[in-house]
Amino acid sequence: SQQGEEDPQALSIQEGENATMNCSYKTSINNLQWYRQNSGRGLVHLILIRSNEREKHSGRLRVTLDTSKKSSSLLITASRAADTASYFCATVPYNFNKFYFGSGTKLNVKP
Amino acid sequence: NAGVTQTPKFQVLKTGQSMTLQCAQDMNHEYMSWYRQDPGMGLRLIHYSVGAGITDQGEVPNGYNVSRSTTEDFPLRLLSAAPSQTSVYFCASSYSRTGGTEAFFGQGTRLTVV
Repeated sequence: SQQGEEDPQALSIQEGENATMNCSYKTSINNLQWYRQNSGRGLVHLILIRSNEREKHSGRLRVTLDTSKKSSSLLITASRAADTASYFCATVPYNFNKFYFGSGTKLNVKP
Repeated sequence: NAGVTQTPKFQVLKTGQSMTLQCAQDMNHEYMSWYRQDPGMGLRLIHYSVGAGITDQGEVPNGYNVSRSTTEDFPLRLLSAAPSQTSVYFCASSYSRTGGTEAFFGQGTRLTVV
């Protein structure tokens, strides 16, 4: 499968703590994207990192990409109860115009 | 700006019935796609299109048809519904046909086949 695989499958933390989730993939990529899905809703784009980038920030989000290890991580700092959601990585290969999604990390932030 | 609109939000079908899931976007995006989401399996690509008149298969195309007659609309047809097609279906669109930009998702259609 060319899909990204997130780890862990589920994560439960207290409000104010940091949350880290990881994504591993198998093929060369054009870019990697992270999405959030609240229960019963569609996916919302969080951040896109291109294959020639190593780190990107957006507010409380920090994404890293290591193409040699074919892995990425998403860090949410100072988490809030509103961050409770499932988080998915999507990989976009160079020679295909397709998005490949993993099965997601379910994050629960306890108030 | 409505973004990506899917209809209906919920649907119950009997085995063997056919139906069309509608998807429309108002962002003039070239790339549109359909996914199904099953518990523990993430999103799997059914069909996608890089422009009007151009469609191609994804990972799980069997039992589904698509067409793209306009830039705005990308309907998904279930020809003869089966219980294995019970799932949540998402339509998504993207500006770039090469996947270089973010995807915008609809709110989903929850389909149950009995």
